[in-house]
Amino acid sequence: GAGVSQSPSNKVTEKGKDVELRCDPISGHTALYWYRQSLGQGLEFLIYFQGNSAPDKSGLPSDRFSAERTGGSVSTLTIQRTQQEDSAVYLCASSLTGVTDTQYFGPGTRLTVL
Amino acid sequence: GESVGLHLPTLSVQEGDNSIINCAYSNSASDYFIWYKQESGKGPQFIIDIRSNMDKRQGQRVTVLLNKTVKHLSLQIAATQPGDSAVYFCAEKNKGGSEKLVFGKGTKLTVNP
Repeated sequence: GAGVSQSPSNKVTEKGKDVELRCDPISGHTALYWYRQSLGQGLEFLIYFQGNSAPDKSGLPSDRFSAERTGGSVSTLTIQRTQQEDSAVYLCASSLTGVTDTQYFGPGTRLTVL
Repeated sequence: GESVGLHLPTLSVQEGDNSIINCAYSNSASDYFIWYKQESGKGPQFIIDIRSNMDKRQGQRVTVLLNKTVKHLSLQIAATQPGDSAVYFCAEKNKGGSEKLVFGKGTKLTVNP
């Protein structure tokens, strides 16, 4: 079956612009995660959605970052007024129920802020 | 605090040799650990996991060892192949903590033919 998909695969934007990154999780997975991976670094947790529960936003680095998950499926990560330090690969993952289920990752969106 | 780190940032082995990738963690409350493999340009791929009530778990050509006394995790890859070349990350979840994984920075494994 289809895995986690993300779009766009690459995004180049100018400093100060807003960007939206999309994640389509595996069908039936109730848990969805966003991570950020800077060059040569590990994954930094951003936000976690689980079913209808309030999302865990503890990893969002600033109030310029927000995410939604509509209908328990597709998720959008929005970065407002982008800064150069936002440049990174943004990875989305989904799992069947929770964090101790295998997380399946998408290919990521490479964001470059000029 | 929460932190997961690695002993070596890079590892180079000959094809056919066994590889050992190490990971240290600092939070004794962590109760679940995972190894991921990330090939260039791709998202991480699950390899194997282990819970804190176990010391060892084996998969196909891979073994994860957990030493809770020294808070050390290792991934052993048997008969390493060129396709194993990638960056390997360990990750942990804290018991009773928020439902998120804390990732280490990764070890780059290069397999020489």
